[in-house]
Parts: sequence; structure tokens; C-alpha cells
Amino acid sequence: GQQVMQIPQYQHVQEGEDFTTYCNSSTTLSNIQWYKQRPGGHPVFLIQLVKSGEVKKQKRLTFQFGEAKKNSSLHITATQTTDVGTYFCAGSGSARQLTFGSGTQLTVLP
Amino acid sequence: DAGVIQSPRHEVTEMGQEVTLRCKPISGHNSLFWYRQTMMRGLELLIYFNNNVPIDDSGMPEDRFSAKMPNASFSTLKIQPSEPRDSAVYFCASSPGTGGSNEKLFFGSGTQLSVL
Repeated sequence: GQQVMQIPQYQHVQEGEDFTTYCNSSTTLSNIQWYKQRPGGHPVFLIQLVKSGEVKKQKRLTFQFGEAKKNSSLHITATQTTDVGTYFCAGSGSARQLTFGSGTQLTVLP
Repeated sequence: DAGVIQSPRHEVTEMGQEVTLRCKPISGHNSLFWYRQTMMRGLELLIYFNNNVPIDDSGMPEDRFSAKMPNASFSTLKIQPSEPRDSAVYFCASSPGTGGSNEKLFFGSGTQLSVL
């Protein structure tokens, strides 16, 4: 079945440093979504990418969808302590439903 | 908008007991999803409903798990009998349309289940 791999599993950064998480699929995706889950919280939708090569920005967050629609990335510029949490990608290929990646847990050290 | 409401927030039970988790989706949303989250397996889709009808239950682990949606504003996930390996956070989510993969999911706060 469809698999969505996410790396790294954990990332510790100093406040102010940049952070990137990568999502890779074994199959071509029709779309990809990103969610953020704060510690003890629930996943919250951030964004959806649909087009090949698409790039979207939300303030310090930049999301990219690969040209082949098999990979995606989330980059955070100048991290802040409020960025702490686990970031999940979720993609859909032939399956009708989203498959979630394993997540990247971000720790920001003040 | 109150968002997706789940109850209870925490449930501690003994092996063999029946557990019922409850969910109220966002008013007007047509699709409802039950997810399970564990460290080992991450976020797994158990079942989803569209217009109160179960569409895909292929993620339900075994016959001990059952889910119902008697009306548009209420769903239950039942585990009978419960086992320690069922310990996890169970999330309910809803979406406005048919439940397709291009829809934004709105998650509830989850139920932390511990089976001793």
C-alpha cells in the first residue's frame, strides 16, 4: 500500500535557527497536506498543496511540493519557541484517504 | 464554532472491559473520521463515515472494534473487550464534504485511552 515517509523523526534547534522536514512517498500523490500537533494537543491543518512544483508561504513557513509529486518539504525560518510541536505530512495517491507520515518532532531551545 | 467535541478526554479501564468513545462533529460537516495515534504506528485511520454511512472500515483492527453514527451529530467508537494494546489516543475528525483526500480535516481534542 501507499507509504509516506517523513524525516527526520526528531529535530532540536536553537531558537532563531532554521528547520526543515521532508516527506517522501512511494507513489505519486494527488495532493499533500501538512498538520501541526502541539505537545498534548491535536493535529491542526496548516496547508494543502496540489500542483507539481507548488510553493506556498505562511509567514516564516514555506511549503513545497516536488515536481514529480512524490515529495514535499516544510521549512521554518528563524524558529521560535511557539513552533514547538510535531509536524505531519499527509498524502493521497490511489487510495481515497490520506496517509499520514510519521511526523517530525521539533524542539526549539531558547 | 465549538469544533469537534470528543468525550471522555481520558479513560482508564481494565482489560476485558467495554469502552465507548464519543464524538460530535462540527455542525454541517458531512464526513466523520476515527483515527488512532500511537508512538509505534503513528496516526492510523480506523473508519470514516459520509452522511452517517460507513464508507471505509478497512482500518478497524479487528472485530472487537465497532463504530456507529446514528445521526449527523453523533458517533461512537466501541471496543469490546478492551486489551492493553488498545491503549492509544483516539481522535475524531470531521470534514465538510464527501471525505475525499483533498478536504481539510478538523480534529477533536482526542481521548487518551489506557487499558490496564
